[in-house]
Amino acid sequence: GIQVEQSPPDLILQEGANSTLRCNFSDSVNNLQWFHQNPWGQLINLFYIPSGTKQNGRLSATTVATERYSLLYISSSQTTDSGVYFCAVERGNQGGKLIFGQGTELSVKP
Amino acid sequence: NAGVTQTPKFQVLKTGQSMTLQCAQDMNHEYMSWYRQDPGMGLRLIHYSVGAGITDQGEVPNGYNVSRSTTEDFPLRLLSAAPSQTSVYFCASSYSILDRVNNEKLFFGSGTQLSVL
Repeated sequence: GIQVEQSPPDLILQEGANSTLRCNFSDSVNNLQWFHQNPWGQLINLFYIPSGTKQNGRLSATTVATERYSLLYISSSQTTDSGVYFCAVERGNQGGKLIFGQGTELSVKP
Repeated sequence: NAGVTQTPKFQVLKTGQSMTLQCAQDMNHEYMSWYRQDPGMGLRLIHYSVGAGITDQGEVPNGYNVSRSTTEDFPLRLLSAAPSQTSVYFCASSYSILDRVNNEKLFFGSGTQLSVL
């Protein structure tokens, strides 16, 4: 099956710093999404981005499907950005059958 | 809209007991799925459904049953609980032909923390 690798596994930032999280996947996909799991365990959908670039406030994401990777950019980080960021992919239209990476745990210090 | 609603939030079972985790969504989503989250393992797909009456297995289906009698509900049944099923369980849904903006986005419930002793 398709493999999803995220890097780095852990990241510690000072408030106000920028960061880039990476997601590599082993096969072509037509569905890629980024999620944030906050410290209370809630999973929030950040982006649906199988290709191209999207921005939402201080967050943006870019997927280069031909090279099988996606990047999540966090600018001017805040303590509320802390948590785990997951990348998830789906190969075909399989009914929301997403395969998740292991996540990047981000800690933003005040 | 309430979104995806899971009950209960917490549950403790003894080995061998059975129980059902409830999941309901009010977003007219066609697809529903169950994931489990274990420390260091990310989220793994247990079962999923592309519509009422249609279910299929995910990565880790053993020990779990599902059914989808209505579009809104997708319960997960543990037949005979084992300590290895101690985990956090998330229900998710996606895909409404009526929502062109968020059509493919996966939305999660708040999770059920299950402990099997």
